[in-house]
Amino acid sequence: GEDVEQSLFLSVREGDSSVINCTYTDSSSTYLYWYKQEPGAGLQLLTYIFSNMDMKQDQRLTVLLNKKDKHLSLRIADTQTGDSAIYFCAESITQAGTALIFGKGTTLSVSS
Amino acid sequence: GAVVSQHPSRVICKSGTSVKIECRSLDFQATTMFWYRQFPKQSLMLMATSNEGSKATYEQGVEKDKFLINHASLTLSTLTVTSAHPEDSSFYICSARDASGQGANSPLHFGNGTRLTVT
Repeated sequence: GEDVEQSLFLSVREGDSSVINCTYTDSSSTYLYWYKQEPGAGLQLLTYIFSNMDMKQDQRLTVLLNKKDKHLSLRIADTQTGDSAIYFCAESITQAGTALIFGKGTTLSVSS
Repeated sequence: GAVVSQHPSRVICKSGTSVKIECRSLDFQATTMFWYRQFPKQSLMLMATSNEGSKATYEQGVEKDKFLINHASLTLSTLTVTSAHPEDSSFYICSARDASGQGANSPLHFGNGTRLTVT
């Protein structure tokens, strides 16, 4: 079945770059997503990448995709304390209209 | 951007009562909405897929008679937790996909979640 794996914790200093990694198993995934969840809140879509892309950059966020290794990463440049949250990687199931499969989330802690 | 409104944000109820949670897409139409459940410090578990005008599709292990889903319009889906028990206490999050987007691969937009506590 589908599975998405992420490391559970990452701790960085303010101003440093953060890199959150994710591996997935469904090779037919067409889109992969990064969501952010702040305490007690729902999920906020940060960015997503189409499987035929290797990289996507959006301001401080850079997504790298290695489709051969089924590895996805999210880099946050100049990490701020407001970036502290849980970050979920998700892959789409190939059938139309169906949901996403999420990893367990990486808790990013940013210290000043 | 696309907004999904979920209500209530927090509810406390007594064991044996029923609770209804609403999920609305505010600026787009959603033929499909999804209901997730999140346990503390865990990932989201898909409970069911709600399709406008038809019966919901439940994931294995989710009791359809306990978690009633109604998707009566393109902007509203409701989840009713019937005869709630303390083990139903959890964080429930709905999400919706813009029907005018890229089909199955349009990003999901999430509500802010409902914290249900059953005493």
